[in-house]
Amino acid sequence: QKEVEQDPGPLSVPEGAIVSLNCTYSNSAFQYFMWYRQYSRKGPELLMYTYSSGNKEDGRFTAQVDKSSKYISLFIRDSQPSDSATYLCAMKDDKIIFGKGTRLHILP
Amino acid sequence: NAGVTQTPKFQVLKTGQSMTLQCAQDMNHNSMYWYRQDPGMGLRLIYYSASEGTTDKGEVPNGYNVSRLNKREFSLRLESAAPSQTSVYFCASSAQDRTGANVLTFGAGSRLTVL
Repeated sequence: QKEVEQDPGPLSVPEGAIVSLNCTYSNSAFQYFMWYRQYSRKGPELLMYTYSSGNKEDGRFTAQVDKSSKYISLFIRDSQPSDSATYLCAMKDDKIIFGKGTRLHILP
Repeated sequence: NAGVTQTPKFQVLKTGQSMTLQCAQDMNHNSMYWYRQDPGMGLRLIYYSASEGTTDKGEVPNGYNVSRLNKREFSLRLESAAPSQTSVYFCASSAQDRTGANVLTFGAGSRLTVL
């Protein structure tokens, strides 16, 4: 089992929908959980990070961590075409491990 | 705010040629990293440098060497390029924030093709 699993998509949703992106992991030592957004032909940029379990909200984005299930989620409300990108989850104990990324298309 | 700057943006090499990818950051970060990104493989760590003067192997170091020239600069060298090294290379830097998180800031990437 890989340390971090992420569905590669692509995921296509209509504009205005709520998007749910998810990752599962196997290493219970992970403490920091991050979401990066990567536009085509650009470097990843940090969206949000959380420490341990719980929720964190930033505008239209909400990150959730469920350590008991080893499952993290990123929700995007009122999705926009500009949200079309690849979303990578990442987790850290002594090193940072990335998921493979989910390609998201928001359809106008 | 330049952040992390990588050069070159694009490069085509022939098998066996050598080249160096350059990376510089202006955020006074201690740690710097080199990743490669391939379709279906995600981001894989090649080498990292936790601080000036130190370097360590990551997940896929074979065929690469690195130099942490000073706090700002971290270069990646391919001594004898192979087609398997065709990839997009990203440099990143980080500093630990007050919560203990190491948040990475990435460069725009260097797209390398080895023929």
